[in-house]
Amino acid sequence: LAKTTQPISMDSYEGQEVNITCSHNNIATNDYITWYQQFPSQGPRFIIQGYKTKVTNEVASLFIPADRKSSTLSLPRVSLSDTAVYYCLVVGDYGQNFVFGPGTRLSVLP
Amino acid sequence: DTAVSQTPKYLVTQMGNDKSIKCEQNLGHDTMYWYKQDSKKFLKIMFSYNNKELIINETVPNRFSPKSPDKAHLNLHINSLELGDSAVYFCASSQMTSVTYEQYFGPGTRLTVT
Repeated sequence: LAKTTQPISMDSYEGQEVNITCSHNNIATNDYITWYQQFPSQGPRFIIQGYKTKVTNEVASLFIPADRKSSTLSLPRVSLSDTAVYYCLVVGDYGQNFVFGPGTRLSVLP
Repeated sequence: DTAVSQTPKYLVTQMGNDKSIKCEQNLGHDTMYWYKQDSKKFLKIMFSYNNKELIINETVPNRFSPKSPDKAHLNLHINSLELGDSAVYFCASSQMTSVTYEQYFGPGTRLTVT
């Protein structure tokens, strides 16, 4: 299982773009990068998944360089309600055995 | 409609007791999971069932026994509860053949052992 490293915490202000970078140096060829969001007192929620280059949905964008050893989750124009813990996971052929790290605690300030 | 539901939401009990947490999903998924999130907020997978068959069993004490009566339900029974079992337990489900690694999590059950 590829180990991931991401910042423990980040602060931002409303309306700013937030970029959270995750390192996964030993990612395997068949692995995908997946990001989850967890609000206090709730279960994690899937945000986005990607394999390479750029993926965008209505919530976020995911940038993955050619070597795939890192990825960046981009949240455009954050609001107070985006305050949460964001988890980067590398998942692949071993199936759905997710390994959650400590995540990045994002605090959005007014 | 709630996709993944758990009961109870809160559970307070004394050491040595036996308790169960129930989980149901109405998404038609073939795989269900139990996770434990401790006080330090680390989320760890405990069990995974695919079509009622156990496929993941992490290092969990034998006091924890999952039971899957059908694909839509995965219950967690805990015997002889200990203080260290206090945590939030999340149930989740997914479709193994899905193109995305998306798991749907329930609201969690906060277990407090006194």
